[in-house]
Amino acid sequence: AQSVTQLGSHVSVSEGALVLLRCNYSSSVPPYLFWYVQYPNQGLQLLLKYTTGATLVKGINGFEAEFKKSETSFHLTKPSAHMSDAAEYFCAVKHSSYKLIFGSGTRLLVRP
Amino acid sequence: EAQVTQNPRYLITVTGKKLTVTCSQNMNHEYMSWYRQDPGLGLRQIYYSMNVEVTDKGDVPEGYKVSRKEKRNFPLILESPSPNQTSLYFCASSLSGQGMNSPLHFGNGTRLTVT
Repeated sequence: AQSVTQLGSHVSVSEGALVLLRCNYSSSVPPYLFWYVQYPNQGLQLLLKYTTGATLVKGINGFEAEFKKSETSFHLTKPSAHMSDAAEYFCAVKHSSYKLIFGSGTRLLVRP
Repeated sequence: EAQVTQNPRYLITVTGKKLTVTCSQNMNHEYMSWYRQDPGLGLRQIYYSMNVEVTDKGDVPEGYKVSRKEKRNFPLILESPSPNQTSLYFCASSLSGQGMNSPLHFGNGTRLTVT
């Protein structure tokens, strides 16, 4: 069965610092992996996705994630944090055509 | 503007009083789904619909009902709400299922409090 684990419910970084949000998954089939972002008082929006092909995936707002099969990881990074990046981030793995399994979320705080 | 619209945004009700949360999308999407979001648990799927008149249970369907009579609308019904249904609810839609090329589009959420 597919599952997703996000390490750290809260991550705090200084503005301009590297952002690293961790996601590990388990899947019995080749996974399709997603990162979604939720800004305050809004729904989730797709940040990036991995399906097949290149393991380094670029998303919106300067974020990227690397699929590492050997580590069953799909960590999200951004070289330089901006205040506007403060939000909650969810990793998700596709379970079937009609279902995504979401992680518990990581709230990113950006200090000035 | 392409969007998923949920109403109401906030709702406070009492135990046992039936309520409906509406969801409408204007993107001609086939797939629609309801989630609840609780602290530390992420999003859990309540029900989903693959197309008109086709619905199925998600992970936490108990205490909820849905219907899909029209493609654009997917209301969530709580026949007899209980305090453990206090949560933040999201409706989402996608072109067809949740496949690689069909990202989910989310509404802005409905915060429900049941006292």
